[in-house]
Amino acid sequence: DQQVKQNSPSLSVQEGRISILNCDYTNSMFDYFLWYKKYPAEGPTFLISISSIKDKNEDGRFTVFLNKSAKHLSLHIVPSQPGDSAVYFCAASSGNTPLVFGKGTRLSVIA
Amino acid sequence: DSGVTQTPKHLITATGQRVTLRCSPRSGDLSVYWYQQSLDQGLQFLIQYYNGEERAKGNILERFSAQQFPDLHSELNLSSLELGDSALYFCASSVVEGPDTQYFGPGTRLTVL
Repeated sequence: DQQVKQNSPSLSVQEGRISILNCDYTNSMFDYFLWYKKYPAEGPTFLISISSIKDKNEDGRFTVFLNKSAKHLSLHIVPSQPGDSAVYFCAASSGNTPLVFGKGTRLSVIA
Repeated sequence: DSGVTQTPKHLITATGQRVTLRCSPRSGDLSVYWYQQSLDQGLQFLIQYYNGEERAKGNILERFSAQQFPDLHSELNLSSLELGDSALYFCASSVVEGPDTQYFGPGTRLTVL
């Protein structure tokens, strides 16, 4: 049973517009969430995180929103740039448990 | 550059063989994690070590084993290899044992023929 789901395998966005990547989770015990970005032939790179005591965290062009009641989080990228084209993974954990990753969403930013 | 190194970058071997993947964590990081990424799959957690001791186990096959050495580098041993073991294997490290930002290495691409 997949505890972290990224239901959109791919997303295309025009340069300069907003990219919204979504992630749903089923385990209500998750209290720490992260987004990673992965380019081909490289390891995932940490982007931004949020703990369950917050509902929003912002870092430059990247903002993560957490809706605990809906067990949903989203990553907003504004404005989107061609260099943002990559696979984005959502991950979650609770207590000392290891991170559980979604399958990823491939973002393509079109110039 | 995350500071996590993995060797080798690529590995091609035959079914039934045994291989060892190596990981050096970032300086100061005590936790090492191993993940497997197969085609079109997310990152599957295999195993975690913290300061030399096994801390958590995920979907790791009995044919696979790992260890973390006193200098904190880690090795993942894969034996009796099967075609389905072909995948990207990532190592990640973090400072603490619990939930924290993990920094990933570039991965080892294993191809079993």
